[in-house]
Amino acid sequence: TQLLEQSPQFLSIQEGENLTVYCNSSSVFSSLQWYRQEPGEGPVLLVTVVTGGEVKKLKRLTFQFGDARKDSSLHITAAQPGDTGLYLCAGAGGSNYKLTFGKGTLLTVNP
Amino acid sequence: EAEVAQSPRYKITEKSQAVAFWCDPISGHATLYWYRQILGQGPELLVQFQDESVVDDSQLPKDRFSAERLKGVDSTLKIQPAELGDSAMYLCASSIAGAHNEQFFGPGTRLTVL
Repeated sequence: TQLLEQSPQFLSIQEGENLTVYCNSSSVFSSLQWYRQEPGEGPVLLVTVVTGGEVKKLKRLTFQFGDARKDSSLHITAAQPGDTGLYLCAGAGGSNYKLTFGKGTLLTVNP
Repeated sequence: EAEVAQSPRYKITEKSQAVAFWCDPISGHATLYWYRQILGQGPELLVQFQDESVVDDSQLPKDRFSAERLKGVDSTLKIQPAELGDSAMYLCASSIAGAHNEQFFGPGTRLTVL
């Protein structure tokens, strides 16, 4: 069974601060995705990383896939209240490229 | 923009009753997933369809849960009888099959069992 550990589980910061969320596993994934979920809604895909060492930027968000394709990080620069939500990482692997989700990091950005 | 549709958005039922959830995936997406998400957790896969065929239902509690996708398009997930522990968000997602398995989620159905 592939497991993804996310840390921290909860994060509360002030507007303008920077933060990093981590996603770690002992398993190798063919790709890894990051989703953001707002209360009462379904997860929304932010990015997919595929190649070991890959870095992708989406405005103030920077995503990195580990060289061994076992871990990933999400860095947010100058966080804004609109960034508030549950950030989920999910790794694709196995014969059906089944997605395994982490438990998520609940981010609150205070004005 | 194409979206995954789910209904109802909210459902309150009493234990031992039957409930059903409906999902219409993005047009052209052959793969459809049902997930259960408990508050504070990530989504857990219940069942995966490729067209009308089940390809993974290993985590589906088959004594009370059933799912179908008769024409390979929309899908229904049923619980009978509902139990208190079934209270959760039920999410439907769809994807174009591939190694990246990028999935697009609907808004979910929040189920409360009293």
